[in-house]
Amino acid sequence: DAGITQSPRHKVTETGTPVTLRCHQTENHRYMYWYRQDPGHGLRLIHYSYGVKDTDKGEVSDGYSVSRSKTEDFLLTLESATSSQTSVYFCAISARQEGTDGYTFGSGTRLTVV
Amino acid sequence: AQTVTQSQPEMSVQEAETVTLSCTYDTSESDYYLFWYKQPPSRQMILVIRQEAYKQQNATENRFSVNFQKAAKSFSLKISDSQLGDAAMYFCAYRMYSGGGADGLTFGKGTHLIIQP
Repeated sequence: DAGITQSPRHKVTETGTPVTLRCHQTENHRYMYWYRQDPGHGLRLIHYSYGVKDTDKGEVSDGYSVSRSKTEDFLLTLESATSSQTSVYFCAISARQEGTDGYTFGSGTRLTVV
Repeated sequence: AQTVTQSQPEMSVQEAETVTLSCTYDTSESDYYLFWYKQPPSRQMILVIRQEAYKQQNATENRFSVNFQKAAKSFSLKISDSQLGDAAMYFCAYRMYSGGGADGLTFGKGTHLIIQP
């Protein structure tokens, strides 16, 4: 979607290797989120950020870490990838924490851990 | 914690007909926001419609409308004059009114909508 890009779009990695996914926004939005999407589970929140260097855990944060050193970039790291982390990962941004603006989502990263 | 339930994993409708997708949620809050997102095969998440809980009037966006029943904690999506382009996964989502820490958006598991030509 315009204003938010995720990279890479697809990735295959081996069990036990570290993996970093990148989310980049040009909207100067304060709030950024990482979700994972799995069949039968919808989207579940992994981590979110409410400002530079300000992050917090979501519902399914185990095995993941994040960093936000600049407003525009939010990185998701799998320290040691496992097969259970095979999923589609979405980044989302929001200008405000409340309101009906909803979120703007990136196009997703399909990660396969073999 | 809030939960969102979509009880219909899959729905099918004839083109040009009307279909209603169900969503219920559980919350102890009195003010919140509700959303329907569409996810076509392209994987892109597209906001379809939104509703503020303190507004009694049901939201509408062209062929899309909601039936918001606050007391019943129900938020169904009605699609009128269904078109082939409406075929997608539809997700219901809840957002707290303010603050909420890590709550963000809470999603249901989705309903796969099939449009029969």
